[in-house]
Amino acid sequence: DIQMTQSPSSLSASVGDRVTITCRASQNIRRYLNWYQQKPGKAPNLLISGASSLQSGVTSRFSGSGSGTDFTLTISSLQPEDFAVYYCQQSDIAPLTFGGGTKVEIK
Amino acid sequence: EVQLLESGGDSVQRGGSLRLSCAASGFTFSNYAMSWVRQAPGKGLEWVSGITGSGDKTYYADSVKGRFTISRDNSRNTLYLQMNSLTAEDTAVYYCAKAGGWTFDCWGQGALVTVSS
Repeated sequence: DIQMTQSPSSLSASVGDRVTITCRASQNIRRYLNWYQQKPGKAPNLLISGASSLQSGVTSRFSGSGSGTDFTLTISSLQPEDFAVYYCQQSDIAPLTFGGGTKVEIK
Repeated sequence: EVQLLESGGDSVQRGGSLRLSCAASGFTFSNYAMSWVRQAPGKGLEWVSGITGSGDKTYYADSVKGRFTISRDNSRNTLYLQMNSLTAEDTAVYYCAKAGGWTFDCWGQGALVTVSS
């Protein structure tokens, strides 16, 4: 099975900060990497698919990059509504797997 | 508007069975693969199972293989998850998700399954 490792597991940041979350796959997944945002008590929401394709309706503050085994999610200027948990997920090979999550908290 | 509505969540004793349903609307159901993803209390997301649009192929996480069965009725636009031999480790919110190329682009609100001993 492909293991997905996210780092950090949590971070504290201020409004306006640039935030970067990394996700590493245990083997080459090409660009089959997705990012989700989850707020408390809510279902996850797809932000980015195919490593860098921003979903319709998602603010351009979010961007994704990477291929192969190393990927990043960047929030260019953190806003109050961005405080949430972020997950990466590989969609290359079953069993599909998620990273452990990164909790973005207010400093 | 795409909508997914799970039902069937409940409290059940260890070793028991439960069937979850997910009613879909707002898209051509048979054109899309579907999946179940769960989240234990305070934990991360875990993919459970997936099924192709036609229903001809199914996939399972090792943790549920042999105990859970995913199925779909395209005439009713409904996805199912039959869960047998439940253990405490199966306690979670279960989400159904619409899958485009196994990317989950729409999620239901979740159904809570609690397994007690």
